[in-house]
Amino acid sequence: EVQLVESGGGLVKPGGSLRLSCAASGFPFSTYFMNWVRQAPGKGLEWVSSISGSGNYIYYADSVKGRFTISRDNAKNSLYLQMHSLRAEDTAVYYCASEYCSGGTCYTWTFDYWGQGTRVTVSS
Amino acid sequence: QSALTQPRSVSGSPGQSVTISCTGTSNDVGNYNYVSWYQQYPDKAPKLMIYDVTKRPSGVPDRFSGSKSGNTASLTISGLQAEDEADYYCCSYAGSPLFGTGTKVTVL
Repeated sequence: EVQLVESGGGLVKPGGSLRLSCAASGFPFSTYFMNWVRQAPGKGLEWVSSISGSGNYIYYADSVKGRFTISRDNAKNSLYLQMHSLRAEDTAVYYCASEYCSGGTCYTWTFDYWGQGTRVTVSS
Repeated sequence: QSALTQPRSVSGSPGQSVTISCTGTSNDVGNYNYVSWYQQYPDKAPKLMIYDVTKRPSGVPDRFSGSKSGNTASLTISGLQAEDEADYYCCSYAGSPLFGTGTKVTVL
């Protein structure tokens, strides 16, 4: 059974830092593009960042570029999001999500397995 | 980039069909056949329903179908069921993934 379990969320003051983790199991994690997607309270989904299986290709939304860093440890089947200079508008539930793969083909910008999310609140 | 535009809500009676539109531009929906749709229940993670505009992952009922015309993609739910009441989001590749504003589907 596929599982993605996020952790690390919490309450942080503006300007603070937080590191999110996502523990993966049940699929060949090291071969999958992985992503972070967030959802502000009562709002829609927003893509945050993506990283290739090898970690060689990394992408960020403009809203987080320069403040957030995505990384992965394939030996630990784990995905991370280091967040610095946090702002009130970063308040959201953060989901890790894998790309979708079927029949030997993977669809990089399609999100298949999702975690339950971890809540980040930026407030003084 | 602004979010793709979806109607705030659509509704239908059980057994009816509803269609959710997802309007973008020639830089996203109109330029790529990489449109996906997600279903989300309250306080739950999204679930992939449609990818590459028209394709359905294994396990998704065939009453869910996708299409695209120009800069607008659509998700149609045929034979609406009570369990289809949820929020739905489109997503298009636009150099990076771009989600829609979301649509609440209500089953009357």
